[in-house]
Amino acid sequence: SQQGEEDPQALSIQEGENATMNCSYKTSINNLQWYRQNSGRGLVHLILIRSNEREKHSGRLRVTLDTSKKSSSLLITASRAADTASYFCAPKTMDSSYKLIFGSGTRLLVRP
Amino acid sequence: DSGVTQTPKHLITATGQRVTLRCSPRSGDLSVYWYQQSLDQGLQFLIQYYNGEERAKGNILERFSAQQFPDLHSELNLSSLELGDSALYFCASSVDSGRASAREQYFGPGTRLTVT
Repeated sequence: SQQGEEDPQALSIQEGENATMNCSYKTSINNLQWYRQNSGRGLVHLILIRSNEREKHSGRLRVTLDTSKKSSSLLITASRAADTASYFCAPKTMDSSYKLIFGSGTRLLVRP
Repeated sequence: DSGVTQTPKHLITATGQRVTLRCSPRSGDLSVYWYQQSLDQGLQFLIQYYNGEERAKGNILERFSAQQFPDLHSELNLSSLELGDSALYFCASSVDSGRASAREQYFGPGTRLTVT
C-alpha cells in the first residue's frame, strides 16, 4: 500500500461553514478510504470510494475521486463543533499488499 | 462503539520491561491489524494477522511480536521497552484479508503505553 498525503495539514473554520480536505496519492488504487480521529481516540471509518466511482455521499460528507489526477477530496458540509478531529485518507493499491498506510492527516478545528 | 476491544486502556511501565497488549476483533472479523501512533512518527502500521496467520509486516521492531489465537483475539508483545516506545497502540479489525478489494477497518480505543 502507499501513503496518502493530506492537504492542508490544519484547517480552522466557523461552525456552519463547509470544510474541504484533499488527498493525493502516487499509484493506481483499488479504493480509497477516509477516517476520522478524535484526539487520543481510535480512528473511525467514514467512507470508502472505489476506483470506478467518482463521488460518494454519506450524510454531510461528500467524497470525490479523480483517478486521472490521483486525488480525492472530502467535503464536510454545515460543519459542527463535534467535527473537530483529524482526518486521514488511506489509498488501497491494486497489489496484494494488505495494509493501509496513513498520512499525517488534516487537523480540523470547527469554532463554535 | 466499533466492536473492537483493547485492554488495558493505560499502561505505565519502566524501561527494559515487557508488556502484552490484548485485542478482541469485531465478531466475524478475521483480520487484526496493529498500529502505533506517536507524536513524532504519526500512525504507523506494525503487523497484520488473518485467521491466525501473519499476513503483512510494517515497521515492527524485532523487540515486538504478535500473534492471533484460534478464537481470533490477538496479542502484541513489547519487550526490552525503551522510552521511545511510549505511544498509543491501536488494534483494528476487518472482515476480509485486506487484499485488493479491502474493506474498511474498525479501530479499537487504543492502549496508551508510557515507558518511564
